[in-house]
Amino acid sequence: EAAVTQSPRNKVAVTGGKVTLSCNQTNNHNNMYWYRQDTGHGLRLIHYSYGAGSTEKGDIPDGYKASRPSQENFSLILELATPSQTSVYFCASGDYYEQYFGPGTRLTVL
Amino acid sequence: GDKVKQSPSALSLQEGTNSALRCNFSIAATTVQWFLQNPRGSLINLFYLVPGTKENGRLKSAFDSKESYSTLHIRDAQLEDSGTYFCAADPMDSNYQLIWGSGTKLIIKP
Repeated sequence: EAAVTQSPRNKVAVTGGKVTLSCNQTNNHNNMYWYRQDTGHGLRLIHYSYGAGSTEKGDIPDGYKASRPSQENFSLILELATPSQTSVYFCASGDYYEQYFGPGTRLTVL
Repeated sequence: GDKVKQSPSALSLQEGTNSALRCNFSIAATTVQWFLQNPRGSLINLFYLVPGTKENGRLKSAFDSKESYSTLHIRDAQLEDSGTYFCAADPMDSNYQLIWGSGTKLIIKP
């Protein structure tokens, strides 16, 4: 049974619209992460969290917000989506430095 | 420059042959993770290493923190080994964030 799940798996949004990507983990890990991966590139960290109620900025936080309402759930929010945010988004959970990934969400902003 | 440099960037092998992938670090890392991103896009955990070696089936990985490198050896390559291999290291002072390499794209030919 998948321990890190993401929804939706695919999303098409319009420029200027609000997008929320959701992540749920059943690993009982304290840390959760949001990354984006652009074609042919590695992963870049957007936001992360150490536990419920905490959010921290990663390497590329501009244009994104995050919310961690519980141990299990971590959301990534694009208040005003732009075409440059078209990408594949991965959520991960972990303790210490070991991380486990969800299946990814493909977001297209038109 | 890249803090985590992977080589080679791409590799094509015949089924049944062996290969070695490498990550060199310009940071003082204490742990390394290796992932396979399969052709469907899923990120699969392969190894989580402190200095030393680990083996799992046809895969073997080593991490030398003093010489600042890690290797991933694939023995008797199979078609399902195709994909992009990423290494990620922790830079000690990062609060559980990882520094990612840009990946090695591996193609296994029948």
